[in-house]
Amino acid sequence: KNQVEQSPQSLIILEGKNCTLQCNYTVSPFSNLRWYKQDTGRGPVSLTIMTFSENTKSNGRYTATLDADTKQSSLHITASQLSDSASYICVVSDRGSTLGRLYFGRGTQLTVWP
Amino acid sequence: EADIYQTPRYLVIGTGKKITLECSQTMGHDKMYWYQQDPGMELHLIHYSYGVNSTEKGDLSSESTVSRIRTEHFPLTLESARPSHTSQYLCASSGKDSNEQFFGPGTRLTVL
Repeated sequence: KNQVEQSPQSLIILEGKNCTLQCNYTVSPFSNLRWYKQDTGRGPVSLTIMTFSENTKSNGRYTATLDADTKQSSLHITASQLSDSASYICVVSDRGSTLGRLYFGRGTQLTVWP
Repeated sequence: EADIYQTPRYLVIGTGKKITLECSQTMGHDKMYWYQQDPGMELHLIHYSYGVNSTEKGDLSSESTVSRIRTEHFPLTLESARPSHTSQYLCASSGKDSNEQFFGPGTRLTVL
């Protein structure tokens, strides 16, 4: 069964600290993996996309890693800011359909305290 | 910023009412999607469309219906709203050769 599991479910950190969010998936065949940021009451916004051959990709203070062998990804946030408070969703796409089927994790709810 | 819009943003309505949630995109995307999302849970695909006059049901069974008469417009209709329909509804679109989906801001529906 194609699944995407994220941990932790929720995380509280102090402003300025770093944190790492985890994503494990069983989706096969694999096309790409995206991390989305979803602010409360808003739609998700893509942060990074990683394909099979990519190990790491950065977007400002966000750095995503991918280990396609172990089917794991992480999202590292550096020097957190209050505006980083949001849900971070790992989304994996399979290669098997023209629809580009997406499998969503439940997200990690990050809260940054001043 | 993705140009995909949803109205209304919030809707509180009584049981039995008919409602239509609007979704429009200005990116010329062929593919459009409707998702349902409850707090702390993953997004569930309820409808999708490959293009004009094409609509399909998603993974999660839904009593809603959709139509795609114009490329840019993908409205979702509930003929008779019930409290079990209370949820957040997210619309998304993607281009012909990409599976990157751009999401609208969502409609928070509450049925009393």
